Amino acid sequence: EAQVTQNPRYLITVTGKKLTVTCSQNMNHEYMSWYRQDPGLGLRQIYYSMNVEVTDKGDVPEGYKVSRKEKRNFPLILESPSPNQTSLYFCASGTGTGFYNEQFFGPGTRLTVL
Amino acid sequence: QQQVKQSPQSLIVQKGGISIINCAYENTAFDYFPWYQQFPGKGPALLIAIRPDVSEKKEGRFTISFNKSAKQFSLHIMDSQPGDSATYFCAATTGNTPLVFGKGTRLSVIA
Repeated sequence: EAQVTQNPRYLITVTGKKLTVTCSQNMNHEYMSWYRQDPGLGLRQIYYSMNVEVTDKGDVPEGYKVSRKEKRNFPLILESPSPNQTSLYFCASGTGTGFYNEQFFGPGTRLTVL
Repeated sequence: QQQVKQSPQSLIVQKGGISIINCAYENTAFDYFPWYQQFPGKGPALLIAIRPDVSEKKEGRFTISFNKSAKQFSLHIMDSQPGDSATYFCAATTGNTPLVFGKGTRLSVIA
């Protein structure tokens, strides 16, 4: 089944404790992206990657890191999480040319930072 | 200039009625306008998309209307059903920059 998987789905952590949210897609998509979704703010892009070893900042990259060492994986790293990073996170991969792509979203990771 | 303004924030529609969600933009370089649908507990999924060379695109009960001169586009859901209850996001891109999403509209269709 073609899909984007994220792990973990739920995470409660404490301020300052490094964490990684994994994202994997099995559709051979070149484009991958991370978003956060907050009430009243919609979907905001954190980072995106057009291909392996190519990553770029989105609208809200502060406090996050990403890497794209393989085409299928795009982990999101929070080196020192803070309470304002409590949010619902979505990974997506995209098919198509450049940003004219249909994005396929994962099921989401709900993160709580205490 | 990169913003897409979406309204209303929430919408309640009777079963069988028409749901209308509007989006406005400023950047005239935007040339691809998708709508994403998100059910509770799920990630968004592409519903329908339009390019500015057409004024309307219809897929089943879902229609995008596009007004290039007014820099507005809207989603119409005909014969709305309880199963259409979801959050809808409009978005836009120039092709050279990432998608910019509206803030979303929570639609509730009541019987």
